[in-house]
Amino acid sequence: QVQLVQSGAEVTKPGASVKVSCRASGYTFNTFYMHWVRQAPGQGLEWMGIINPSDGTTHYAQKFQGRVTMTRDTSTSTVYMDLSSLRFEDTAVYYCARGVGYGSGTHDSWGQGTLVSVSS
Amino acid sequence: DIQMTQSPSSLSASVGDRVTITCRASQSIRSYLNWYQQKPGKAPKLLIYTASSLPSGVPSRFSGIGSGTDFTLTISNLQPEDFATYFCQQNYNSPFTFGPGTKVD
Repeated sequence: QVQLVQSGAEVTKPGASVKVSCRASGYTFNTFYMHWVRQAPGQGLEWMGIINPSDGTTHYAQKFQGRVTMTRDTSTSTVYMDLSSLRFEDTAVYYCARGVGYGSGTHDSWGQGTLVSVSS
Repeated sequence: DIQMTQSPSSLSASVGDRVTITCRASQSIRSYLNWYQQKPGKAPKLLIYTASSLPSGVPSRFSGIGSGTDFTLTISNLQPEDFATYFCQQNYNSPFTFGPGTKVD
C-alpha cells in the first residue's frame, strides 16, 4: 500500500532553515507528483507547492517563492522541503501528500506530518 | 488565486443525523472539488474527489454534489467516527486552495 513517511519534529530559531523529508513506498515514485501542505496550530490547510519526482520541476505558491525549495532523490524515493528565513508564524505541521487526478491536485495519500516549531 | 469558503464553520450534530456542509469557490472550478476529513492529530483523508466520486473504502453515507461555484457534502446517518473537521479543496488550478474547514461535533 502507498506509504509516505516523514522525518521527525524540528525545533528551530527565527531566521534559520529547516528541511523536512518524505519517503514514499508502495508505488512507482516517478509517476506521481508530490505536494507540500502545512497547517498552523488550530488553523486550516495551506498549499505550499508541488514537485514532479520524474524530472525535479517545481511550482511554488507565490507566498513561499524565494523561501521554499523542493527537491527529490529518486534513489531513495524521497522528496524534501526546505524552508528558509523562518518566522514565528511558520510554526506548523508540514505534510507531504501525493497528487493524483486532474492537475495532480487531488491528495489521495498523506504523510503523518512533521511539526516544525520556530521559537527563540 | 481562487478563494474557497465553507459554511457553517462548525455544527453540532448527533449520531444518526443528516449533516450538510457547503463550499463555494470565488470562480467556476467546474467539478474539480475535493473533500477531506481530518481528525485531531491526524493527517487529512480524501473523502470525495471531482465533486461526487468516492475513493475506495469511503462509506456510502458520504456524498457530494455540485459544479461551477457551489458544492455540498452530505453525511447521512452520522456515525461516531464521523465527528471531525471537513475541508474542501479546489484542484482546478494552482495554487490548490482549501476552504477554512467545518468542524462537526
